[in-house]
Amino acid sequence: QKEVEQDPGPLSVPEGAIVSLNCTYSNSAFQYFMWYRQYSRKGPELLMYTYSSGNKEDGRFTAQVDKSSKYISLFIRDSQPSDSATYLCATGDNTDKLIFGTGTRLQVFP
Amino acid sequence: EAQVTQNPRYLITVTGKKLTVTCSQNMNHEYMSWYRQDPGLGLRQIYYSMNVEVTDKGDVPEGYKVSRKEKRNFPLILESPSPNQTSLYFCASSVSLAGSYNEQFFGPGTRLTVL
Repeated sequence: QKEVEQDPGPLSVPEGAIVSLNCTYSNSAFQYFMWYRQYSRKGPELLMYTYSSGNKEDGRFTAQVDKSSKYISLFIRDSQPSDSATYLCATGDNTDKLIFGTGTRLQVFP
Repeated sequence: EAQVTQNPRYLITVTGKKLTVTCSQNMNHEYMSWYRQDPGLGLRQIYYSMNVEVTDKGDVPEGYKVSRKEKRNFPLILESPSPNQTSLYFCASSVSLAGSYNEQFFGPGTRLTVL
């Protein structure tokens, strides 16, 4: 079993849709939960991070963590064509090492 | 501008021909890491370095070498590349503060093809 499992997608949604991206993880030691966004031909960039169960909101993006079920989600409201990218969930413990999901490719069409 | 740079961005080579991919960061970060990204497998860590002269294996180190002689540079060396090392490679760096989350900053990637 992989330490982090991510729905592979790809997802194709119309502009304005609500997008839900999901991951599960297996190690209870993981304390930090991140979403990275990767545009085509670019390196991943941090989008959001959280270290506790619950929701964290940043504009149109909401990161949700449920530690009891080891479930991580990213919601995108009012999705835009500029949101078209690959989204990578990642987790980590007290070390510098990050474990990444395989990524979900999202396309938002006008 | 704070950044991680990698060179070359694209490389096509042949089996067995030694190559080096350079990585440099200008943020004075202690931690540096190399990943490879493959379809369906995601980002997998090859090697990492906690500081100068301190390196360790990640999850997929076979066929790779690294060195950390200076804080800003962390080259990836393929002494005898093979076709299964064809991949997209990313270098990343972060500060290394114990007990807290440390954002990793990624370079633009190096697409390597080994024929």
